[in-house]
Amino acid sequence: AQRVTQPEKLLSVFKGAPVELKCNYSYSGSPELFWYVQYSRQRLQLLLRHISRESIKGFTADLNKGETSFHLKKPFAQEEDSAMYYCASTRGSQGNLIFGKGTKLSVKP
Amino acid sequence: NAGVTQTPKFQVLKTGQSMTLQCAQDMNHNSMYWYRQDPGMGLRLIYYSASEGTTDKGEVPNGYNVSRLNKREFSLRLESAAPSQTSVYFCASSQGGKRGYEQYFGPGTRLTVT
Repeated sequence: AQRVTQPEKLLSVFKGAPVELKCNYSYSGSPELFWYVQYSRQRLQLLLRHISRESIKGFTADLNKGETSFHLKKPFAQEEDSAMYYCASTRGSQGNLIFGKGTKLSVKP
Repeated sequence: NAGVTQTPKFQVLKTGQSMTLQCAQDMNHNSMYWYRQDPGMGLRLIYYSASEGTTDKGEVPNGYNVSRLNKREFSLRLESAAPSQTSVYFCASSQGGKRGYEQYFGPGTRLTVT
């Protein structure tokens, strides 16, 4: 079965430190990959999609097909980055997304 | 544009009661989804509707029913609520098709079943 794995439930860093949130997917085809962010008690918002190759709020993510990974990175974390981050992958040719279990990022002052 | 809206925002039910969660989108999207979010479990798909007139089961459909009332609206019904259905429920929509996988989410409904 297709899976999206986020190995860290919680990631805690200090302000100004680099951040890397890991995501691995199992689909062997050509999925679309996304990162969603959820600030405290708010709705999920799209942060990045791999086909856009853009940087949002200083975050970037590169699709590595060889390692089936789509890690989210930011060189200097800010306190306002504290949130829940979900990695998601398309499910085959269907429009559904499979979500990882999420990583809670805590940026300390 | 309001995007995706959900009602109610909060609800407390007693075991065995029924209720319907409402969802509407104004983006003319074809596909709509219902998820539940539980601590440590992430988001799990309950039901989805790829297009108006169709609905399909997701990962955790037991205990739920859905209705795609029209292109805008997609409701989720709990016929006989159980404590295991205590969760935060999110509705989402997407354009669908090869370039429309991005999903837009509603604000969520926080449901407690006692």
